[in-house]
Amino acid sequence: DTGVSQDPRHKITKRGQNVTFRCDPISEHNRLYWYRQTLGQGPEFLTYFQNEAQLEKSRLLSDRFSAERPKGSFSTLEIQRTEQGDSAMYLCASSPGGRSYNEQFFGPGTRLTVL
Amino acid sequence: GQQLNQSPQSMFIQEGEDVSMNCTSSSIFNTWLWYKQDPGEGPVLLIALYKAGELTSNGRLTAQFGITRKDSFLNISASIPSDVGIYFCAGQRSTGTASKLTFGTGTRLQVTL
Repeated sequence: DTGVSQDPRHKITKRGQNVTFRCDPISEHNRLYWYRQTLGQGPEFLTYFQNEAQLEKSRLLSDRFSAERPKGSFSTLEIQRTEQGDSAMYLCASSPGGRSYNEQFFGPGTRLTVL
Repeated sequence: GQQLNQSPQSMFIQEGEDVSMNCTSSSIFNTWLWYKQDPGEGPVLLIALYKAGELTSNGRLTAQFGITRKDSFLNISASIPSDVGIYFCAGQRSTGTASKLTFGTGTRLQVTL
């Protein structure tokens, strides 16, 4: 399967702990996005990379959140000192170059539960 | 953050019926996308629209980019049970460079036999 992959699919943690999620985009897609989705809502943008450069960050991305994309391939999203309000589905998407650059393809998501 | 308005919020239809849903925004978008999401999974891209007035089909699905660039519509013809799910519209403002999508609130579709 050559789609976007995310790991882990589910994470349960206690409040105050740090968590890290990984996203592997579709091969040769140079744009990578992170979104957060809470129950009953559409996904909300968090941040975006073009290759290894982080080009845009949402105000939703507080100081406790950090995202990296070393070498322009996979990306990690870390949440420090988790809070119950961080419980959500974290989605990763990637898009190709050319005319289809607006077409974002999503992974299956990582469901985070903070107790 | 901002979410686009989708209607209806949910709908029950019988298998074989046609379905229409729409998405509206207070501001202009240059690209409209439609996604379907099943429980516990990520959204799956159905259709992408790039030009005001554009009408694009993908099998039984047809979507239109509104002329005002503030709305978009999705039609599903002859619905089948596997059409069940949540349908999201998403808009993007930028041209020339890719950036974030702004999603709608979703339309939940349930199909009865």
